[in-house]
Amino acid sequence: GESVGLHLPTLSVQEGDNSIINCAYSNSASDYFIWYKQESGKGPQFIIDIRSNMDKRQGQRVTVLLNKTVKHLSLQIAATQPGDSAVYFCAERASYDKVIFGPGTSLSVIP
Amino acid sequence: DTEVTQTPKHLVMGMTNKKSLKCEQHMGHRAMYWYKQKAKKPPELMFVYSYEKLSINESVPSRFSPECPNSSLLNLHLHALQPEDSALYLCASSQGTAKGSYEQYFGPGTRLTVT
Repeated sequence: GESVGLHLPTLSVQEGDNSIINCAYSNSASDYFIWYKQESGKGPQFIIDIRSNMDKRQGQRVTVLLNKTVKHLSLQIAATQPGDSAVYFCAERASYDKVIFGPGTSLSVIP
Repeated sequence: DTEVTQTPKHLVMGMTNKKSLKCEQHMGHRAMYWYKQKAKKPPELMFVYSYEKLSINESVPSRFSPECPNSSLLNLHLHALQPEDSALYLCASSQGTAKGSYEQYFGPGTRLTVT
């Protein structure tokens, strides 16, 4: 289930299940969106991106959905594995070089 | 080589010290970034260099001074910091619009503690 803690929303899923991480963005003019994964002690790592002229993009085990009407982005992870445990950030390109990160969701995979 | 390196990994400094953080990439990226990240928070943009020129300064206090000596190197000079400046400082680089990709490659960060 999903809960919002004092600082970071947390999502717990069973290994093998699908995970859905949601993100609301603020700027309707943003034209490019990225999902990052950050493991403990490491910098963020690119997962997948999507441009504003698309609704869906698929990668290996991951799918990003973009709903511009409600300014909502989601990341779907298929067959979640223990190695997927991390903090996931959505980010939007607000201007030429300015990328703004969302608050993040902590994904915990239960073996 | 798709790696961004940062040194040092950890840094402890007093409020009167002067220190520098270093970042290096050899991917030919034209844009380099400094972010600050507090625990359980997202990275916050501080500075952006594009083609070795400062293009974005997010109203960062002057006790943080960025420098881009060449297209592969990015420094962050620190002076008279406050304890609340303690955080993980992340460097990133990207190709930019020239090749249609905004994907940022992040280094592992420097964990800074100000005493």
